[in-house]
Amino acid sequence: AQTVTQSQPEMSVQEAETVTLSCTYDTSESDYYLFWYKQPPSRQMILVIRQEAYKQQNATENRFSVNFQKAAKSFSLKISDSQLGDAAMYFCAWAGTALIFGKGTTLSVSS
Amino acid sequence: DAGITQSPRYKITETGRQVTLMCHQTWSHSYMFWYRQDLGHGLRLIYYSAAADITDKGEVPDGYVVSRSKTENFPLTLESATRSQTSVYFCASRAGTGLGRPLHFGNGTRLTVT
Repeated sequence: AQTVTQSQPEMSVQEAETVTLSCTYDTSESDYYLFWYKQPPSRQMILVIRQEAYKQQNATENRFSVNFQKAAKSFSLKISDSQLGDAAMYFCAWAGTALIFGKGTTLSVSS
Repeated sequence: DAGITQSPRYKITETGRQVTLMCHQTWSHSYMFWYRQDLGHGLRLIYYSAAADITDKGEVPDGYVVSRSKTENFPLTLESATRSQTSVYFCASRAGTGLGRPLHFGNGTRLTVT
């Protein structure tokens, strides 16, 4: 069975700084997708970024980028130039028929 | 407006009562999902559906019943609510079987069982 592990329950960062959220997963599949979702206090689930395992190039969306290490089964999220609005819970997820989520990392941003 | 809506947004019920959480999507997405979110557990899959009249169990299906007679609706029923089912419930949908297609989530229902 697929599993997703987020080892950092909480992280903090100063505005304008960079922070990296960790995620590891376990799967026997060779092709799959990985996602990061953001959940602000409003409870809304917002897609941040996705990565196809078949592609070696790391995905980037504006200030958000991933470091995808397929052999190590690692999928970390880097947030550059952090903003107060980035404060949220972040979930890493592996895509099969359904998404398998990690337990989440709560990110706080201070000014 | 197009999208996925859940109702109610908040619900308080008593132990042993039956309660149904509603989910409606306007995209005609084939796949629909129910997750529950609990502190320390992230989101866990309860049930999912690949199409009307096709449903399958997820990781934590016990105590829940689903149906999908129409593509756009996917209600979740707790037949006899227990305190352990106090949680935030999310419905989601996805167009087709492509793994790269993201899930679109509703805004969740916070259920409290007293």
